[in-house]
Amino acid sequence: EIVMTQSPATLSVSPGDGATLSCRASQRISTNLAWYHQKPGQAPRLLIYGASTRATGIPARFSGSGSGTEFTLTISSLQSEDFAVFYCQQYQSWPYSFGQGTKLDIK
Amino acid sequence: EVQLVESGGGLVQPGGSLRLSCAASGFIVSSNYMHWIRQTPEKGLEWVSTIYSDGGSFHTDSVKGRFTISRDISKNTLYLEMNSLRTEDTAVYYCARGIYGGTFGNWGQGTLVSVSS
Repeated sequence: EIVMTQSPATLSVSPGDGATLSCRASQRISTNLAWYHQKPGQAPRLLIYGASTRATGIPARFSGSGSGTEFTLTISSLQSEDFAVFYCQQYQSWPYSFGQGTKLDIK
Repeated sequence: EVQLVESGGGLVQPGGSLRLSCAASGFIVSSNYMHWIRQTPEKGLEWVSTIYSDGGSFHTDSVKGRFTISRDISKNTLYLEMNSLRTEDTAVYYCARGIYGGTFGNWGQGTLVSVSS
């Protein structure tokens, strides 16, 4: 089973600033990596797939990069609606697995 | 517009059974990969079960032999039959539509399953 590890657990950022979130896979997963964000009381929403492709309707301030075992989600100019928990997920092999999440909160 | 609406959650005793439903609109369930994913504060997000468009299905090891994923084409609805429930099955259960290979592109609002005596 592939274990996904996210860092940091919590990131405090001011609105308008940028943020960088990291995700590491315990085995190589090529670019079979997705990012989601989840607001309190809501289901997760797909942001990025293929490590770097934005899903439909996702603003350009979200960008993803990486391959193999190291991945990054970068958010530029944070908006109020961006403060949430972010998860990475690998779909290289079953069982598909998620990271434990990074909580982005307002500084 | 794609929409997924889960129902069927509730409180059940250990060893009991529940059937979750996920009514879909805006797309055809049987033409897509469909999934159940659960979430707890302790373990986070965990993939549970998948049914392929050809009807094949599989489950995570911890629920094999206890959970069954299925669909009703006429109702455009996904199901998760859960038997021999354990306290560790307590979670919010989401149904999701698979897109872009192995991602979960559309999610329902979730339904809470609580297993407790």
